[in-house]
Amino acid sequence: AQSVTQLGSHVSVSEGALVLLRCNYSSSVPPYLFWYVQYPNQGLQLLLKYTSAATLVKGINGFEAEFKKSETSFHLTKPSAHMSDAAEYFCAVSEGGGSQGNLIFGKGTKLSVKP
Amino acid sequence: EAQVTQNPRYLITVTGKKLTVTCSQNMNHEYMSWYRQDPGLGLRQIYYSMNVEVTDKGDVPEGYKVSRKEKRNFPLILESPSPNQTSLYFCASSLSWDSTYEQYFGPGTRLTVT
Repeated sequence: AQSVTQLGSHVSVSEGALVLLRCNYSSSVPPYLFWYVQYPNQGLQLLLKYTSAATLVKGINGFEAEFKKSETSFHLTKPSAHMSDAAEYFCAVSEGGGSQGNLIFGKGTKLSVKP
Repeated sequence: EAQVTQNPRYLITVTGKKLTVTCSQNMNHEYMSWYRQDPGLGLRQIYYSMNVEVTDKGDVPEGYKVSRKEKRNFPLILESPSPNQTSLYFCASSLSWDSTYEQYFGPGTRLTVT
């Protein structure tokens, strides 16, 4: 069965610093992987997705993630944090592998950005 | 504007009093889903629907019912709410069950059961 693990429920960075949010997946078949963002008092919004094409995926707001099969990881990065990046971030994997099935979400990582 | 709407946004109720949370989308999406979000647990799927009249259980369906009589609506029904159903609920929709397509989320419904 597919699953994702997000390392760190809270991450705090200074404005302008590198953002690194970690996600490791477990999948018996090639996975599709996703990062969603939730701003305070809002629903989730898709940041980016990996669908077995390029391993480096660029998303909205300057975020990107790299699929590393050897490390079973899909970490989210942004070179320079903005105050507006403060939110909760969720990694997700398709339940059935590939594009099939419902999404299985990680427990989330709350990102704080200090001025 | 393409969107998923939920009503009510906030609800405080008492144990055992039946309630319905409505969800509606205007994007002609086939797939709709309900999640609950609890601190430290992330999002867990309650029920989903791949099309009209087709619904199925997610990971945490106990205590909930759904129906999909029309493509645009997917109400969540709590027949006899209990305090452990206090949570933040999200409805989502997508063009299809295929996760290649983005899921669009509603703004959430914060439910408190006393």
